[in-house]
Amino acid sequence: ETGVTQTPRHLVMGMTNKKSLKCEQHLGHNAMYWYKQSAKKPLELMFVYSLEERVENNSVPSRFSPECPNSSHLFLHLHTLQPEDSALYLCASSQTWGSYEQYFGPGTRLTVT
Amino acid sequence: DQQVKQNSPSLSVQEGRISILNCDYTNSMFDYFLWYKKYPAEGPTFLISISSIKDKNEDGRFTVFLNKSAKHLSLHIVPSQPGDSAVYFCAASGTAGIYNNAGNMLTFGGGTRLMVKP
Repeated sequence: ETGVTQTPRHLVMGMTNKKSLKCEQHLGHNAMYWYKQSAKKPLELMFVYSLEERVENNSVPSRFSPECPNSSHLFLHLHTLQPEDSALYLCASSQTWGSYEQYFGPGTRLTVT
Repeated sequence: DQQVKQNSPSLSVQEGRISILNCDYTNSMFDYFLWYKKYPAEGPTFLISISSIKDKNEDGRFTVFLNKSAKHLSLHIVPSQPGDSAVYFCAASGTAGIYNNAGNMLTFGGGTRLMVKP
């Protein structure tokens, strides 16, 4: 596997479910990001991890809980979501947190019913 | 309020002609700009970038122009090819002065869907 991978690619969950999104980067990067892309809206940065430490939390509701066990893996734990949380969730990585160029995974299309 | 705007949600161009995608920003502290391309079912991929110390950067068929006084940048694709059909996102970044830290955050525009007709 090369680049940035995300699983699952599609997820349908009820509002009372708990699920997790997984991201893995094979680029040797030190920074990882979660973005949300809702319909007809720009990509919104949710979380940034640099060297496994969270360095930015962009006022995201607590029903989204990130986890970065090592510099290659990033998770987004989902709990008690709302229908308006349905969106494309994109993971990205960059060489360092100071790098401008980010490399994106294919995203997870999440539908909350 | 969106700090990076792409006012054209879509653009249709004939193969071989020039495609011009536009992007406007409001934050004068942005000093680095990027264009990403996104195909369906794939994540955005980096295309080309420009620093605020330049007004033009060229890479093959792709050229980005920056007009700092107008807070405007554009991406030119010449000649356009059907494989260029995708959604193009403009993104902007500032230095540590904005974000109280040493990192670089990207602020994205809403994207423009380019369709290149054979």
